[in-house]
Amino acid sequence: GVTQSPTHLIKTRGQQVTLRCSSQSGHNTVSWYQQALGQGPQFIFQYYREEENGRGNFPPRFSGLQFPNDSSELNVNALELDDSALYLCASSLGTDEQFFGPGTRLTVL
Amino acid sequence: LAKTTQPISMDSYEGQEVNITCSHNNIATNDYITWYQQFPSQGPRFIIQGYKTKVTNEVASLFIPADRKSSTLSLPRVSLSDTAVYYCLVGPEYNFNKFYFGSGTKLNVKP
Repeated sequence: GVTQSPTHLIKTRGQQVTLRCSSQSGHNTVSWYQQALGQGPQFIFQYYREEENGRGNFPPRFSGLQFPNDSSELNVNALELDDSALYLCASSLGTDEQFFGPGTRLTVL
Repeated sequence: LAKTTQPISMDSYEGQEVNITCSHNNIATNDYITWYQQFPSQGPRFIIQGYKTKVTNEVASLFIPADRKSSTLSLPRVSLSDTAVYYCLVGPEYNFNKFYFGSGTKLNVKP
């Protein structure tokens, strides 16, 4: 399945953070979502074969990488208090059903 | 992306059938309707997807009327473990991974 690390993370405002995702084996597409408390997941961006393939309404300080070994990263620079959320990654084979990981809970103080 | 409207919350009792309706008045011709389930501190899980009429799998049924402006997720004989948030998503199949989730419906199943 899809795994994410770390499970929980606490940072302070202005810091940078890297979240990691391990996709299901063989999947070539990974999407990242931000889910604030009580809200549905909001699409951040998607990577297909290591190239960004669409982006939601998030500023450039949210960036990502996808590696050929089924792993990917979400990087957030200059953290703000509003960045506190559950960050979810989801992998799929192209446009087939996407499988979500358990998420990383980020708290920004 | 087509916006969806769902009830914020619903209550039910174990053993009952639960129907959650979603409105999507601006659905496009090539849009599909997909439902996800999410438990606290977990990622969403795919339940069912359909384009028109009725789709059934081992977990749920999805009813879509002819005008496709709404859809109903039907959960037969719910149990306590079905307590979760249910999201209705609408979007083109080729753009499946970029669907707009909305706030979902919090289903609370009581004993």
